[in-house]
Amino acid sequence: IAGITQAPTSQILAAGRRMTLRCTQDMRHNAMYWYRQDLGLGLRLIHYSNTAGTTGKGEVPDGYSVSRANTDDFPLTLASAVPSQTSVYFCASSDSSQNTGELFFGEGSRLTVL
Amino acid sequence: GQNIDQPTEMTATEGAIVQINCTYQTSGFNGLFWYQQHAGEAPTFLSYNVLDGLEEKGRFSSFLSRSKGYSYLLLKELQMKDSASYLCAVGDSNYQLIWGAGTKLIIKP
Repeated sequence: IAGITQAPTSQILAAGRRMTLRCTQDMRHNAMYWYRQDLGLGLRLIHYSNTAGTTGKGEVPDGYSVSRANTDDFPLTLASAVPSQTSVYFCASSDSSQNTGELFFGEGSRLTVL
Repeated sequence: GQNIDQPTEMTATEGAIVQINCTYQTSGFNGLFWYQQHAGEAPTFLSYNVLDGLEEKGRFSSFLSRSKGYSYLLLKELQMKDSASYLCAVGDSNYQLIWGAGTKLIIKP
């Protein structure tokens, strides 16, 4: 059982380059999320999708875009990376039909922008 | 604004009991969650409280008081593998999770 798979695991990127972080889940969850985690701060929501074909902005959406063409995939794109986007990025999903709203996380993608 | 407060770091001894507190101020309330995150790994779900009171699950228990905006996670019979960060999160009026910065728990032999 794979759960949520993120790629790449780690990446060093030059400022100004375009980068897409991939996220795939096999649990048929409706809702998917992208968070960034920085030292000393809580997880911050970048973008989310409640169901295939829809997306929404989270707390820190600037500089990022997402798409949700199908249930399983939710890629995150940095159109022109900047050093402040250096972070660990987590993709997560949840079965929105469950009241507990438990999130299942991928293993994370560590991105360094130089 | 919305705010989740929890201690930055705590230290406890193997075999002992530790209580990690979380206070919150959010626009609306749709449940409080605790997650465990080992260093370099993804967060994993521990507990969910939506009503006041204590929820027990093995060595871990979570308490909620909505009137006080307060929760705690109680870990009993501490083991070395419990060394991790513990994240408190609250569902707001839009059912989005607001996260605390996490409490790093260090277990000493």
